[in-house]
Order: sequence, then C-alpha cells, then structure tokens
Amino acid sequence: DARVTQTPRHKVTEMGQEVTMRCQPILGHNTVFWYRQTMMQGLELLAYFRNRAPLDDSGMPKDRFSAEMPDATLATLKIQPSEPRDSAVYFCASERAVSGFNQPQHFGDGTRLSIL
Amino acid sequence: SQQGEEDPQALSIQEGENATMNCSYKTSINNLQWYRQNSGRGLVHLILIRSNEREKHSGRLRVTLDTSKKSSSLLITASRAADTASYFCATDRADYKLSFGAGTTVTVRA
Repeated sequence: DARVTQTPRHKVTEMGQEVTMRCQPILGHNTVFWYRQTMMQGLELLAYFRNRAPLDDSGMPKDRFSAEMPDATLATLKIQPSEPRDSAVYFCASERAVSGFNQPQHFGDGTRLSIL
Repeated sequence: SQQGEEDPQALSIQEGENATMNCSYKTSINNLQWYRQNSGRGLVHLILIRSNEREKHSGRLRVTLDTSKKSSSLLITASRAADTASYFCATDRADYKLSFGAGTTVTVRA
C-alpha cells in the first residue's frame, strides 16, 4: 500500500533550536497538507501546496514557521526558533486533487515534537 | 476554526454492539468525510459522502447526511476491539481545504 512517510517520528529539542520535519507524499499525489494536532486546538491546517506551489499558509505563524516543497517527492516544515508552545504532533497529508471535488486525504503517522 | 462538531465526545460500548456518532456543521458543504485515528497514528480516511447523497455504506460502516439539518452520522455495526479509536468528521471549505471536528473517542470493551 502506498503511504505518506514522515521523518522523524519523534523529536525532542531545546527551545530556540531549529526543527525540520520532512514528508514524502504518495507518488502521483499533487496536493500536500501540513497539519498540527494538539489536545487544546485539535487538528489545525498550517499550510498546503498544489503541484509544489504554496496555496495557503495562513494557518502558520510566519515569523518562525516556513514550509517548502523542493521537489514532488519532498515537503518540509521548518521551525526556527522553536518554542515550548510548538510542542504538538505535526501531520503531513497528500491528496490527488481533482478539479471541483475534494478527495480523500492520506495522512502520515506524524512527527511528535517536544520543545523543552 | 472547526466547522464540524462531533457528538458525543466519548463513547464506551461492549464488543458486538453498535456505535453511533454525530457531526453537525454550520455552513453549506460540497461533501463530508469521516476519518479514524488510532492512538499514535495518522488519520485514515473511511468514507466520503457528497452533498447530493443521503446514505453511504462501507463494510460495517454506514454514514448518513442530512443537509437540511446540517448533520451527519457514522454508525459502526457489530463493533470490535480494533474499532477503538477517535473518529473525526471533516467538511470541505474553499480551495479544497478540510475543516476537522474535535472528534469522538470510541472505546470498545471486550
């Protein structure tokens, strides 16, 4: 079965450090989403890309978060500098978008991030 | 912001019983999706129902959609221990984005 792969699965680091999370979407999927999940806020959309172009990153704190898609097989989410409030599980999801209709999103197993 | 709201927040049932959870939303939709999340894992897509559909089945899952009431329900029949998970509804927003609810946590007791 094709899967979305996220690395690392777990990351513990100190406040102020740079964190980079990586995602390999399913081959052939043209849309990639980054979500953050916390107990308090639930699942929040941070940013998403269509055909590698960023379409919306309004859910992301711009001063410290950045998302890129250097090629069709890799999406990255970077936090610099990290803060304790960034502790959460970050999910990547991919979708083969069809014009006019939502399609199922396929999620990776997430990166569990702890900022000390 | 969350458009879909699941009810109840938590549900505990005996193996073999049915589990029903509901989702209400505020604005009109093109489709509604249900996802499952097992502990420590990502969300898994279960069913997508379009606004012109009223009911959809997939194995032991049955989803209904009532656009007049802006609500949907997910029924799991003959539950198993493996159905223990959180279940989320997601409604579509503009530009193909989804808005997820807070989820219903289902515990199936052996």
